[in-house]
Amino acid sequence: QKEVEQNSGPLSVPEGAIASLNCTYSDRGSQSFFWYRQYSGKSPELIMSIYSNGDKEDGRFTAQLNKASQYVSLLIRDSQPSDSATYLCAVNINSGYALNFGKGTSLLVTP
Amino acid sequence: GAVVSQHPSRVICKSGTSVKIECRSLDFQATTMFWYRQFPKQSLMLMATSNEGSKATYEQGVEKDKFLINHASLTLSTLTVTSAHPEDSSFYICSARGVRLTRQETQYFGPGTRLLVL
Repeated sequence: QKEVEQNSGPLSVPEGAIASLNCTYSDRGSQSFFWYRQYSGKSPELIMSIYSNGDKEDGRFTAQLNKASQYVSLLIRDSQPSDSATYLCAVNINSGYALNFGKGTSLLVTP
Repeated sequence: GAVVSQHPSRVICKSGTSVKIECRSLDFQATTMFWYRQFPKQSLMLMATSNEGSKATYEQGVEKDKFLINHASLTLSTLTVTSAHPEDSSFYICSARGVRLTRQETQYFGPGTRLLVL
């Protein structure tokens, strides 16, 4: 069983701080990596996608990928209370388009 | 706005009945649709992959005779939970992959259907 591992949290950060979310995966053949945000009772919402080693920035979000270490992370700068949610790391399955999700990290941004 | 819809958003049924969930791509043709299931405090688990006009491919441990998937058109896939039991109570989420107006091919998730079997 190919795994996607995340710390379940909760991760608590004060408003305005940087939140750092981490994810490891076991399938070395994975090509595509995603971070989704999921609010309670709602469907996942795509935050970032990353396909190459290094950093990718989009607004307050930065995704980092290290394929050699099989590690992907998400940094959220200037965290806001509205960022409080569960963040799901997802990796493509068997070089296809279906996704293997981690269990998610619960983030709480306190005012 | 929403690009993938699901209907119904919530359903309560008695044990032994069948429930059909629809997943529609609203402004693009979905070449592939995926069905996921999420139990409380768990992650999304892929159930099956369906391509328009062909049989769905089910993940290991998912009973194809219990979870019937039909992808009859490029904008509609249905999941029917047959003879539902309380352990089938879950959040069912579809996603659709295709090309939108931006000409970018990506995957969009529906809003999910919460099923409660009594």
